[in-house]
Amino acid sequence: KNEVEQSPQNLTAQEGEFITINCSYSVGISALHWLQQHPGGGIVSLFMLSSGKKKHGRLIATINIQEKHSSLHITASHPRDSAVYICTTTGNQFYFGTGTSLTVIP
Amino acid sequence: DGGITQSPKYLFRKEGQNVTLSCEQNLNHDAMYWYRQDPGQGLRLIYYSQIVNDFQKGDIAEGYSVSREKKESFPLTVTSAQKNPTAFYLCASSSGIYQQAFFGQGTRLTVV
Repeated sequence: KNEVEQSPQNLTAQEGEFITINCSYSVGISALHWLQQHPGGGIVSLFMLSSGKKKHGRLIATINIQEKHSSLHITASHPRDSAVYICTTTGNQFYFGTGTSLTVIP
Repeated sequence: DGGITQSPKYLFRKEGQNVTLSCEQNLNHDAMYWYRQDPGQGLRLIYYSQIVNDFQKGDIAEGYSVSREKKESFPLTVTSAQKNPTAFYLCASSSGIYQQAFFGQGTRLTVV
């Protein structure tokens, strides 16, 4: 069992749909990061969370420390949101989810 | 502009040769990291450095070596001892080990 589990692995949505990507972890953490990887491979760090909720534009990230669970939401999805989304934890060690591949169809 | 630069973007090497991947940052970050990504797998940590002249092994350090002689630079050498070197390599930096990381664009290494 992986220390960080993401779901779903693949997701296809119509433009405008509300999207949720989930991340569950089994280790103690100092913070959880959500990353976005574009087809060329470049990665952008979207959020770093240690509690509560953060919002940036159409992206919202939440974390529940007690339940060891985080979600990334995309409101009003757009084809340019198509990417792989990765959650990663930092603490005594670094753990990465295997990513969620999102395709948003016009 | 501040950022993190990896070079080259694509690299081809013959089997048995050592190869060094470059990672430079001008963000004044103390911590730097190297990750490897294989198709269908998540990122895996190779090495990280919290401060100049110090670095620690990650989960898959065998067959790799690093140096951190300058704050701005954290080169990764893929040695001939690495059994499966063909992969996508990502470098990252952060102001501290638990802080938000900034990633380079990656180097795709192909060993033939």
